[in-house]
Amino acid sequence: QSALTQPRSVSGSPGQSVTISCTGTSSDVGGYNYVSWYQQHPGKAPKLMIYDVSKRPSGVPDRFSGSKSGNTASLTISGLQAEDEADYYCCSYAGNSLVVFGGGTKLTVL
Amino acid sequence: QVQLQESGPGLVKPTQTLSLTCTVSGGSINSDNYYWSWIRQHPGKGLEWIGYIYYSGSTYYNPSLKSRLTISIDTSKNQFSLKLSSVTAADTAVYYCARGVMVYAILDCFDPWGQGTLVTVSS
Repeated sequence: QSALTQPRSVSGSPGQSVTISCTGTSSDVGGYNYVSWYQQHPGKAPKLMIYDVSKRPSGVPDRFSGSKSGNTASLTISGLQAEDEADYYCCSYAGNSLVVFGGGTKLTVL
Repeated sequence: QVQLQESGPGLVKPTQTLSLTCTVSGGSINSDNYYWSWIRQHPGKGLEWIGYIYYSGSTYYNPSLKSRLTISIDTSKNQFSLKLSSVTAADTAVYYCARGVMVYAILDCFDPWGQGTLVTVSS
């Protein structure tokens, strides 16, 4: 059970779009549609942004979207805003009641 | 809405047992729709899933921690707890409790989370 692979950092200017990838294996990301994404601001608890690969909880702006292709899931943030600057983590069910997180990606809004 | 709050000592000595409790308010822990979970974050690092428990008492642990880990639940107090034995400095982290949403007996996602509590392992 290895951590999912995310880029350490991504950046974009206000109004632009950025995509964060999350690569796993056929035993986790590729095998199940239980991929979720979390936003974490400094000193705060993580917040659920996407679940079931592409579903948004109530209250999450539709600028946030998720997708999956094979063993890689992606989080896309369109119309970047300053408040989107945060760390983002993916998470996947990994079979046999196991769960695995990604290493996290720091998003910088230029 | 449901809120979770961690509590417990902020400082634990090496070789001792780390004990934390998560109190759930605004909803019953005695629900067949959720798993009650623990996640930690080492300083400046990413998230690490620790384990979770069902209201019936069934537990599911991260294999890397399983030998030292006990998660329990007290439905009468609407609380669940974490005990991690034989701690070292490597167990220093912010510990979060979270509600795990269950779909077809699978843990789907974590929502909401507690605010987290820093536990430092040091003599």
